[in-house]
Amino acid sequence: HVQLQESGPGLLKPSQTLSLTCNVSGDSTRSGDYYWSWIRQPPGKGLEWIGYSYYSGGSYYNPSLKSRVGISMDTSKNQLSLKVKSVTAADTAVYYCAREDAFSGYVESWGQGTLVIVSS
Amino acid sequence: DIVLTQSPLSLPVNPGEAASMSCRASQRLTHSDGYSYLNWYLQRPGQSPQLLIFLASNRASGVPDRVSGTGSGTDFTLRISTVEAEDVGIYYCMQALETPKTFGQGTRVEMK
Repeated sequence: HVQLQESGPGLLKPSQTLSLTCNVSGDSTRSGDYYWSWIRQPPGKGLEWIGYSYYSGGSYYNPSLKSRVGISMDTSKNQLSLKVKSVTAADTAVYYCAREDAFSGYVESWGQGTLVIVSS
Repeated sequence: DIVLTQSPLSLPVNPGEAASMSCRASQRLTHSDGYSYLNWYLQRPGQSPQLLIFLASNRASGVPDRVSGTGSGTDFTLRISTVEAEDVGIYYCMQALETPKTFGQGTRVEMK
């Protein structure tokens, strides 16, 4: 049973870089059966898929964020990371780490989420 | 991007009654392989979303059989045959046919 745990600063100022880490336990991020992704949810709003990374180093980003976002994996630490540059108040959200089935594309496991607030 | 439109946005139900909600896609989600890449999630208050249905009609592990998904092409439905208190929350559909993956705006189920 995989477990995903997000961590990182909960408060940022505008223009700073958001950096989050997801620790994965109960499965190996080297598994070719899954993509490892980030999804966010502004307070009281719906879900937005940010992108995913694959164990081989490949990644895909939502074009709405592509110029500012980076997702990377450290398979030796079984960790997934997210960076979002030049944040604004619109980046305030709960950020979820997730595991996606690589063949059918559905998100089948979610972390508990971490709230990031961008405020001056 | 594929747009998913859910209806209704709010669904008050009595315990023991049936509930049904819709998800309509801006383009077909049924692939030439025969599968429909549409999934359903429930987000209970204060919790992360959890997978209910994948590939339009397959129940995820641990999901009771009173929850079912149907549909193909652009029109999909989630049904709960007998609503219980634990079913309260926001239901989201998500398409996985194309990237970027997108979600519907959600249907909020609440007890009358």
